[in-house]
Amino acid sequence: DADVTQTPRNRITKTGKRIMLECSQTKGHDRMYWYRQDPGLGLRLIYYSFDVKDINKGEISDGYSVSRQAQAKFSLSLESAIPNQTALYFCATSDFSGGRSGRVDEQFFGPGTRLTVL
Amino acid sequence: GQSLEQPSEVTAVEGAIVQINCTYQTSGFYGLSWYQQHDGGAPTFLSYNALDGLEETGRFSSFLSRSDSYGYLLLQELQMKDSASYFCAVRGYTGSGNTGKLIFGQGTTLQVKP
Repeated sequence: DADVTQTPRNRITKTGKRIMLECSQTKGHDRMYWYRQDPGLGLRLIYYSFDVKDINKGEISDGYSVSRQAQAKFSLSLESAIPNQTALYFCATSDFSGGRSGRVDEQFFGPGTRLTVL
Repeated sequence: GQSLEQPSEVTAVEGAIVQINCTYQTSGFYGLSWYQQHDGGAPTFLSYNALDGLEETGRFSSFLSRSDSYGYLLLQELQMKDSASYFCAVRGYTGSGNTGKLIFGQGTTLQVKP
């Protein structure tokens, strides 16, 4: 079974609709992230959470909100979807091990959700 | 602020060696990571360099020079399956310290030809 799962995998919606993307992980990691990927723009951080009580905005949080329901679950919501939110969305997790340990920067990504807003 | 630069595309032939460069500008630095992403798939971690020098993992190696704010990913004995996008990333940093976030470059698309 996959360690990081995302639902749905594909979604087509209309402008103005509310939509939620869900992420679950079985890795036992405290840290979870939501990224957006657009062609030629790499991965941009939307929100991140270091534990259930800690949620932080990333580079491009406008138009998005998140909820960390449990250590294993982190959902991303688009309150009123617009066409320029059409993108590939990734959830990721990581395990903080402190210091300069090489494992600190390893993030584990889910399979992605391809979202189209018409 | 923080920024990373890497070439947008690289082409090489099967069996060859290719180097993907990454230069970065950061107010603080904790290490340089590399990720691989096949078309439409999930990015996967390849390597991490916190100290100067070369780290080798099989056919892939990663190099870091902190004094030059520069690193590269070296892929040897290229195979068709190495055709993918490669991203360098650094940890985010503010005046209060390590933010724990990764800042990604825009990615380099590697095309391996027969």
